Amino acid sequence: DGGITQSPKYLFRKEGQNVTLSCEQNLNHDAMYWYRQDPGQGLRLIYYSQIVNDFQKGDIAEGYSVSREKKESFPLTVTSAQKNPTAFYLCASTGGAGSEQFFGPGTRLTVL
Amino acid sequence: QKEVEQNSGPLSVPEGAIASLNCTYSDRGSQSFFWYRQYSGKSPELIMFIYSNGDKEDGRFTAQLNKASQYVSLLIRDSQPSDSATYLCAVPLGSTLTFGKGTMLLVSP
Repeated sequence: DGGITQSPKYLFRKEGQNVTLSCEQNLNHDAMYWYRQDPGQGLRLIYYSQIVNDFQKGDIAEGYSVSREKKESFPLTVTSAQKNPTAFYLCASTGGAGSEQFFGPGTRLTVL
Repeated sequence: QKEVEQNSGPLSVPEGAIASLNCTYSDRGSQSFFWYRQYSGKSPELIMFIYSNGDKEDGRFTAQLNKASQYVSLLIRDSQPSDSATYLCAVPLGSTLTFGKGTMLLVSP
């Protein structure tokens, strides 16, 4: 089955720690995206990548970092510089610019 | 300037009624429009997309696009309690999609 997987489903972090969220897709999509969603809010774009070894900042990139070493993988690191990281994180991919995006199941991050 | 606007709701309708969800957008050059459904605690799933002016029907769902007025709407006929969710409108912006904040729909039995 083709799709997007994210792990872990739930993640707890102590203040001052960096954590990495995994996103893997087997849809052969070139473009991948990371969004953050807070309760009652829409999706805010963190980073996106249109091709391997290239990525661009979204609207709220501060305190986050990404890499795109493989087409299938687009991990997101939430650094200690992100002051309010508790949120629902969603990874998505698409086969072409302007096309529909497909979402993974999400990772819920909580800072203790 | 917000590119995509939706009424946050909640929009409450009784079971069997028609639910009408609206979305306005600012970019006159937008060519495609997407509707996603998001259940509480879950990720968004695509339910409809529309490219041309007019109506597009898929089962109980109808998407309506009016490019001159820059709005797109989603009608859900014979609403069911299982339709209770947040509905997100999305519009392409360059290489990304811009999402509205979503409208919460509550269908009461």
